[in-house]
Amino acid sequence: AQTVTQSQPEMSVQEAETVTLSCTYDTSESDYYLFWYKQPPSRQMILVIRQEAYKQQNATENRFSVNFQKAAKSFSLKISDSQLGDAAMYFCAYRSLNNNDMRFGAGTRLTVKP
Amino acid sequence: ETGVTQTPRHLVMGMTNKKSLKCEQHLGHNAMYWYKQSAKKPLELMFVYNFKEQTENNSVPSRFSPECPNSSHLFLHLHTLQPEDSALYLCASSQALGASYEQYFGPGTRLTVT
Repeated sequence: AQTVTQSQPEMSVQEAETVTLSCTYDTSESDYYLFWYKQPPSRQMILVIRQEAYKQQNATENRFSVNFQKAAKSFSLKISDSQLGDAAMYFCAYRSLNNNDMRFGAGTRLTVKP
Repeated sequence: ETGVTQTPRHLVMGMTNKKSLKCEQHLGHNAMYWYKQSAKKPLELMFVYNFKEQTENNSVPSRFSPECPNSSHLFLHLHTLQPEDSALYLCASSQALGASYEQYFGPGTRLTVT
């Protein structure tokens, strides 16, 4: 079964600086989707960015970008120009194309310091 | 109301009680999901419904009983729960099944079993 590992339980960043959150996964599949979700305190989880494994180009969404290294099974999230509103739990997730299961990592709590 | 709503937001129940969690989506989606978010474990997928039909049951104990009367509503009936069932229960929906469809999450129900 696929597993997702987020090795950083907590991270902090200074406002306006850049931070990178790490995620690694284990799979024997060649095609799949990877996601980063954001869960602000007491608020709903929202999708930040997604990456299709067959696409070599790294996904970007405004200040958010990923570094997808398929061979290394690594999927890190870079947040540029960090804002106070970026403070949240961030979850990395893996979705197989062969079933409906989505596997999540344990999460990284990001603190943004003013 | 827009998006995915869940009621109640907080629930405290004894081990012999019977209660139900409700989820409603106002997005016109056809797939709905129940997740369990425990403090010490990654987010776990519990059930998946597509067009009111259950397509996934991830070995969930029978004390959790889902019901999907239509594509907009999803219930989770609870009975004779254990203290370890205390968690945040998240509902999500997507336009269709498949890894490319974004899942939209509700705010969750915080369940405490005493």
